[in-house]
Amino acid sequence: GQNIDQPTEMTATEGAIVQINCTYQTSGFNGLFWYQQHAGEAPTFLSYNVLDGLEEKGRFSSFLSRSKGYSYLLLKELQMKDSASYLCAVNQAGTALIFGKGTTLSVSS
Amino acid sequence: DTEVTQTPKHLVMGMTNKKSLKCEQHMGHRAMYWYKQKAKKPPELMFVYSYEKLSINESVPSRFSPECPNSSLLNLHLHALQPEDSALYLCASSQGTGSYEQYFGPGTRLTVT
Repeated sequence: GQNIDQPTEMTATEGAIVQINCTYQTSGFNGLFWYQQHAGEAPTFLSYNVLDGLEEKGRFSSFLSRSKGYSYLLLKELQMKDSASYLCAVNQAGTALIFGKGTTLSVSS
Repeated sequence: DTEVTQTPKHLVMGMTNKKSLKCEQHMGHRAMYWYKQKAKKPPELMFVYSYEKLSINESVPSRFSPECPNSSLLNLHLHALQPEDSALYLCASSQGTGSYEQYFGPGTRLTVT
């Protein structure tokens, strides 16, 4: 079977740091993606991890531990425009992306 | 050009209508996808095309019929839909079906009356 879990909602204030966790149990693993989706818009790619460790891209970083089935997305220096849904997605070997339910992040001033 | 385009942006159709959604990419990607997304839910995979051949059909009802006329185009033909089929339909493409970033189009907001 397959299961991808992430918190439903998170809140934070401008300038803060927030960590969005994702745990997964899938029958195959070929990499983990994080996407950002603003309301009414298409998902946009943020990061990709296939090996254990941290990938940093500006204000956003993503971490993966394959042995624990765990990833997190770290957002630093939060801005109001970061208010969006953040989707964790696993590429199962031989199939397409399986998405988690998404985490809605609300950033307040 | 890293854009996936979709037409129309909005579509309202009756349960007896036949309509088509269109998707286009010019990035040379060999994999294309259709997803369905309901409000406050993640995208759900419907179909995957790899090298213009249907490789995955996630048990989608036959009232949805995909078509890949060439490597740049992907259509979704709709017939005899139900009100519960109202959703955002997203097209995506990637270099291949392995661990490649998927680029999403803006979607077609479909309302079935």
